[in-house]
Amino acid sequence: GAGVSQSPSNKVTEKGKDVELRCDPISGHTALYWYRQSLGQGLEFLIYFQGNSAPDKSGLPSDRFSAERTGGSVSTLTIQRTQQEDSAVYLCASSLSSSPGYEQYFGPGTRLTVT
Amino acid sequence: AQTVTQSQPEMSVQEAETVTLSCTYDTSESDYYLFWYKQPPSRQMILVIRQEAYKQQNATENRFSVNFQKAAKSFSLKISDSQLGDAAMYFCAYRSQLDRGSQGNLIFGKGTKLSVKP
Repeated sequence: GAGVSQSPSNKVTEKGKDVELRCDPISGHTALYWYRQSLGQGLEFLIYFQGNSAPDKSGLPSDRFSAERTGGSVSTLTIQRTQQEDSAVYLCASSLSSSPGYEQYFGPGTRLTVT
Repeated sequence: AQTVTQSQPEMSVQEAETVTLSCTYDTSESDYYLFWYKQPPSRQMILVIRQEAYKQQNATENRFSVNFQKAAKSFSLKISDSQLGDAAMYFCAYRSQLDRGSQGNLIFGKGTKLSVKP
């Protein structure tokens, strides 16, 4: 079956604009995770969904960042009033369950460049 | 809070040789999972190998094996018979085994860039 897909693959935006990043998880996966990978850094956890609810928003770096998930499937990460420090690769992962024993499958990411 | 440290930003290996990537972590928990992920230029993270902390036996997946030293909080990855396709960023990651319902995220190190020379 299809893996995790993300769109767009690359996004260039001007400082101050809003952007939306999309994640399509593997069908049937109830858990969905967003991570951010800045240049030269490891992956930084942003937010996680179990179904449509987000029990853990602790990683969102500021109130400019928000995310939603509808129908237990597609998720959108929105960054308002983008700043240059938001430039990074945003990776999405999904798993059958949020329980620790379940593998997270990653998408190819969206590379965001804020000019 | 748990942390993961990869002390080798870059490593190089000759094709067909063996290379070991280092990872240390810090945690007060006794039950957890450890992972090695590979990230090629395509950016897609691929799980290479995983280890449950309660298992004493080191995990092995074909040419990939780990040396898990729980007391030392060390989790190194050994790649045998290196191939050109092994060239990638490798990330070590930690995940708590506690199902707290809201803390299922992976904690990553900063990665090691592996080059394979023909």
